[in-house]
Amino acid sequence: AQSVSQHNHHVILSEAASLELGCNYSYGGTVNLFWYVQYPGQHLQLLLKYFSGDPLVKGIKGFEAEFIKSKFSFNLRKPSVQWSDTAEYFCAVNAVSNNDMRFGAGTRLTVKP
Amino acid sequence: EAQVTQNPRYLITVTGKKLTVTCSQNMNHEYMSWYRQDPGLGLRQIYYSMNVEVTDKGDVPEGYKVSRKEKRNFPLILESPSPNQTSLYFCASSSIDSFNEQFFGPGTRLTVL
Repeated sequence: AQSVSQHNHHVILSEAASLELGCNYSYGGTVNLFWYVQYPGQHLQLLLKYFSGDPLVKGIKGFEAEFIKSKFSFNLRKPSVQWSDTAEYFCAVNAVSNNDMRFGAGTRLTVKP
Repeated sequence: EAQVTQNPRYLITVTGKKLTVTCSQNMNHEYMSWYRQDPGLGLRQIYYSMNVEVTDKGDVPEGYKVSRKEKRNFPLILESPSPNQTSLYFCASSSIDSFNEQFFGPGTRLTVL
């Protein structure tokens, strides 16, 4: 079964700073990749997803992620964060062959106004 | 409105008292799953279901049961809850056709005393 690693447990940034959250997975087969966001007290919402094609995917609220197959990575980026981006971010990997879905442990992002 | 609903949203119970958390989706999704979210561990899958009368264990199925008698409903049953099942539970659903983009319910916060 695949596993998902998110390198940062808690990231603290000031508004307008650039963001990059790391996500690596271990699985040799075909995968679908996701980033979900969980705002305080709310359920998970999809930020963006990668299934195939252009490895640079753009999501909602100015987020993007790049799939680097050789590095088994799917890092999330945003050029300029806002206070409203304060949330927990989860990377998820789905193994296409068996429909197995795994989530990373999450990265808590705090943006200081 | 397309949504996944869970009930109850909050529950405090005592060890050994059977409980059921309901989950319902109105999107005609084939796939439904249950996760528990614990600090530092992210989301871990408890059980999932590919369709009616088809259920499979996820990563942490011990102490839980599920059933899928109807396509829209996927209740989570704790026959004899224990304190280590205190957690935040999320139900999710997806269409097989949409490459497993999962839609999440609002969560159920369970405390077992």
